[in-house]
Amino acid sequence: QSALTQPPSASGSPGQSVTISCTGTSSDVGGYNYVSWYQQHPGKAPKLLIYEVTKRPSDVPNRISGSKSGNTASLTVSGLQAEDEADYYCSSYAGSNNVIFGGGTKLTVL
Amino acid sequence: QVQLQESGPGLVKPSETLSLTCTVSGDSIRSYYWSWIRQPAGKGLEWLGRIYSRGDTNFSPSLRSRVTMSVDTTKNQFSLRLSSVTAADTAVYYCARDWAASYCSSTSCVEAHDYFDYWGQGSLVTVTS
Repeated sequence: QSALTQPPSASGSPGQSVTISCTGTSSDVGGYNYVSWYQQHPGKAPKLLIYEVTKRPSDVPNRISGSKSGNTASLTVSGLQAEDEADYYCSSYAGSNNVIFGGGTKLTVL
Repeated sequence: QVQLQESGPGLVKPSETLSLTCTVSGDSIRSYYWSWIRQPAGKGLEWLGRIYSRGDTNFSPSLRSRVTMSVDTTKNQFSLRLSSVTAADTAVYYCARDWAASYCSSTSCVEAHDYFDYWGQGSLVTVTS
């Protein structure tokens, strides 16, 4: 099963909004509402940002949001801050008890 | 607060078996799924497989022939074994709690993977002779 497709990089200035896409197929992203997003700072473990496409854990600020259209999920970070500079990964249930990740997107705050 | 900690050898020889253990604190290991995920240096995340506290397992299709997992509820631990390793298996290995959701199709229901909410700090395993 191929990895989900993410752009390798994204960038924005402080205060701006950035959207990162995650494209799969009807067998994973398009077929289930079990898409999650993770933030990873260098040398650290990933942290859950979004689950079930749009839901946020209680410790994630509401300037972080998720959505999905067809086979593509998206993560939007609004009001960019320096601390948002990190790698971002999407993940999806892919049926048959399988889980796949995206290749990751490096977000740079200019 | 749930905490996970990986432990095991940092060096493994080619063709041998990689073994890691994840110790869970702050909550019981029972009634949850637990996964292993790895990340080669500078690369993305790869799901290896998961185990339920009863011992039921699911593995990534690409690694199914080389992966085994076990659980010890008395020690609140679960373990990974990856056989016949090569340099391509060099990576940081993470354990994580795997939240499942009941998903029903027209014919059956499964406990589908939903998300990973708690992660260990990661354990670097290098395959080298």
